[in-house]
Amino acid sequence: KAGVTQTPRYLIKTRGQQVTLSCSPISGHRSVSWYQQTPGQGLQFLFEYFSETQRNKGNFPGRFSGRQFSNSRSEMNVSTLELGDSALYLCASSSWTEAYNEQFFGPGTRLTVL
Amino acid sequence: AQTVTQSQPEMSVQEAETVTLSCTYDTSENNYYLFWYKQPPSRQMILVIRQEAYKQQNATENRFSVNFQKAAKSFSLKISDSQLGDTAMYFCAFMKQRRGAQKLVFGQGTRLTINP
Repeated sequence: KAGVTQTPRYLIKTRGQQVTLSCSPISGHRSVSWYQQTPGQGLQFLFEYFSETQRNKGNFPGRFSGRQFSNSRSEMNVSTLELGDSALYLCASSSWTEAYNEQFFGPGTRLTVL
Repeated sequence: AQTVTQSQPEMSVQEAETVTLSCTYDTSENNYYLFWYKQPPSRQMILVIRQEAYKQQNATENRFSVNFQKAAKSFSLKISDSQLGDTAMYFCAFMKQRRGAQKLVFGQGTRLTINP
């Protein structure tokens, strides 16, 4: 089975722009979670989508949004970029067939805001 | 809210030695999972080991084992016979054991270096 894929792998934007990141989960997985990783704040949960619905949400401003499509692929959007949005954005997918579902992580998208 | 604390920002040991990484957490939940994830320089997050809070027996995976002390809210990772490939950031993480609760809460990480 192919793993979780994220595109693009690297992205450079300027302040004020917006950006869209994509995550394709492992085939059959219906849950996709997004995390932001920065040196200062560490790994923080952004949100989780399951069956096209946002099911869990972290403490991020409304500039961060996401969606999930019927094929379980997910996109994350950040509007009005700030310097502090520079980070590694990781997505993780899980199958959600049992009480415990391992989250499989993608390689991440490195976003740099200039 | 749950918090996870890793008090060792960096550790360094010689190859073949045993190393223990510390993690403490705070939660009011009774049922939850604890994890250790490894993030090598490639940045790919890899699950090392998982512990269910309701299990008293400590989890083991080959050279990796944990010491889970539920009352003390402590969850340490022991790596035996360390190898160069173990060099990575290690994150301790918490997740509620509740249907629909897919949120992982991570510690700040410990950078582990295995020296030849």
